[in-house]
Amino acid sequence: DIRMTQYPSSVSASVGDRVTITCRASQGITTWVAWYQQKPGRAPKFLVYAASRLQTGVPSRFSGSGSGTEFTLTISSLQPEDIGTYFCQQTNSLPFTFGPGTKVHVK
Amino acid sequence: QMQVVESGGGVVQPTRSLRLSCATSGFVFSNYGFHWVRQAPGKGLEWVAVISHDGETKFYADSVKSRFTIYRDNSKDALYLQMRALSGEDTAVYYCAKSQNGMGYQSGMDVWGPGTMVTVS
Repeated sequence: DIRMTQYPSSVSASVGDRVTITCRASQGITTWVAWYQQKPGRAPKFLVYAASRLQTGVPSRFSGSGSGTEFTLTISSLQPEDIGTYFCQQTNSLPFTFGPGTKVHVK
Repeated sequence: QMQVVESGGGVVQPTRSLRLSCATSGFVFSNYGFHWVRQAPGKGLEWVAVISHDGETKFYADSVKSRFTIYRDNSKDALYLQMRALSGEDTAVYYCAKSQNGMGYQSGMDVWGPGTMVTVS
């Protein structure tokens, strides 16, 4: 199975800060990574697919990049509504594993 | 508006069975693959199973293989998860999620339901 690791496990930043979350795959997965945001008690929300393609309706302050084994999700200017846990997921090969998540807090 | 809503969760005793359903609307159901994803209390997301748009191709996580069956009824725009031999490790919120494409491979999950809680106790 492909193992997905994420770091940091949590981050606390101020409104307006740039936040970067990294996801690393245990083997190459080209660009088949998706990112999701989950707020407490809610279902995940789809943000990015194919490593860098923003889902329709997602604010442009979110962006994704990477290929192979290392991927990043960046929030260019953190907003209060961005608090939550962010998960990466690979859909290159079965099973479609998720990363453990990164909790984002606003100071 | 695209929507998926799960149902069928509840409290079930160990070794018993339960069937989850996912009702959908707002898109052509038969065009898309679907996934079940679960989340144990306080834990991360775990992919459970995927089914292709036509129901012909199915894959499972090792943790549920031979116990869970994913299937769909394209005439009813509905997805199902039949769960057997349940144990405490299956306690989780179960989400139904639409794939961006027909197979479920190499794509994201763009529409999620609110989830249904399954407690095995």
